[in-house]
Amino acid sequence: GAGVSQSPSNKVTEKGKDVELRCDPISGHTALYWYRQSLGQGLEFLIYFQGNSAPDKSGLPSDRFSAERTGGSVSTLTIQRTQQEDSAVYLCASSLVLNYGYTFGSGTRLTVV
Amino acid sequence: QKEVEQNSGPLSVPEGAIASLNCTYSDRGSQSFFWYRQYSGKSPELIMFIYSNGDKEDGRFTAQLNKASQYVSLLIRDSQPSDSATYLCAVVGGSNYKLTFGKGTLLTVNP
Repeated sequence: GAGVSQSPSNKVTEKGKDVELRCDPISGHTALYWYRQSLGQGLEFLIYFQGNSAPDKSGLPSDRFSAERTGGSVSTLTIQRTQQEDSAVYLCASSLVLNYGYTFGSGTRLTVV
Repeated sequence: QKEVEQNSGPLSVPEGAIASLNCTYSDRGSQSFFWYRQYSGKSPELIMFIYSNGDKEDGRFTAQLNKASQYVSLLIRDSQPSDSATYLCAVVGGSNYKLTFGKGTLLTVNP
């Protein structure tokens, strides 16, 4: 596609439920990133995928968070047993050459009630 | 010390003035530097990148980099109300595979 596509754009879930967030990067972009932005906070790195290499999961805040990237394209971020502190905007970005920066998707606003 | 630091603002300037946004970073191995603009409720969009010491100009925007001082800035000339947004500084550190972001500076341009 022309840009990074994320779905859903908004998600309200009950505490304790599992959620899946989807990211479809720009075609041909080999690097894919997930970040989280809480209200009034900066962008927090979560996970990085590069081609067929093992992902860098160093930013995942707990073992309730996991992500996968299938076929080097679409990625899914899964949050199990959601907590209220998981409420944030989850942003996906992709890049071809890092020195040119990322392109971000429009984000998924997750609200845990 | 935080990896990328920005004054949170808000920075308020009148329309037509020069807005100056500043950023410092801690990793001396950092190689690439970016400025993103984020409107309220929207995702960040890339507006400038710079790799070498000195100035880089693009229209009304000028990025300035001083690696010795570990300092990068963004100047916006002839500021417009449409420039009102949060400006995020981002750095590719020595790890060379991801951007680390500052918390951003909120800029308000008053008509």
